[in-house]
Amino acid sequence: ILNVEQSPQSLHVQEGDSTNFTCSFPSSNFYALHWYRWETAKSPEALFVMTLNGDEKKKGRISATLNTKEGYSYLYIKGSQPEDSATYLCASGGSQGNLIFGKGTKLSVKP
Amino acid sequence: NAGVTQTPKFRILKIGQSMTLQCTQDMNHNYMYWYRQDPGMGLKLIYYSVGAGITDKGEVPNGYNVSRSTTEDFPLRLELAAPSQTSVYFCASSQSWGVAGVFNEQFFGPGTRLTVL
Repeated sequence: ILNVEQSPQSLHVQEGDSTNFTCSFPSSNFYALHWYRWETAKSPEALFVMTLNGDEKKKGRISATLNTKEGYSYLYIKGSQPEDSATYLCASGGSQGNLIFGKGTKLSVKP
Repeated sequence: NAGVTQTPKFRILKIGQSMTLQCTQDMNHNYMYWYRQDPGMGLKLIYYSVGAGITDKGEVPNGYNVSRSTTEDFPLRLELAAPSQTSVYFCASSQSWGVAGVFNEQFFGPGTRLTVL
């Protein structure tokens, strides 16, 4: 069973701050790493799917990097806005064929 | 497209009752999944399906059954509800290839909040 860890568990920042969180996953039998954004009372929505070591993906002010050799991924948010407040989930997929999700990082952005 | 739809949105069951959580997707996705989400925990996979007629167990399958007779529908059955099954249930789908569902993003339904008393 894969173990996916996310840190920190929660984060409070001021509007305009840049922030980042970490996702750690077992580096053996790695296939893909997913990031999802989950707003309260809504469903998780995909941000990125990354498969290659060194991958960097960007969507607006949000970007992510991937290191499959050491088993971690960073999610960065530049100039946080109140609408960025959400729980950010990462999930790792391995050879057993399903995604294992971390517990998420809950981000609160104060105006 | 409506995407992934789930019914009901909320349900309260008594211990020992049974029910079916419905999930339908209109994106012609081959992979479908059922997750449960408990407070303070991540999403746990219950069952998944790689296509019509094929299902497989996830991390926490005990107490649940599934079937996949069509591409669109993937119902989840609780036969003898127990308080431990109180949770929020999410259905998801993806159009994927290769190793089940890991290379393409998953699309989630709105969830069903189930309470077993």
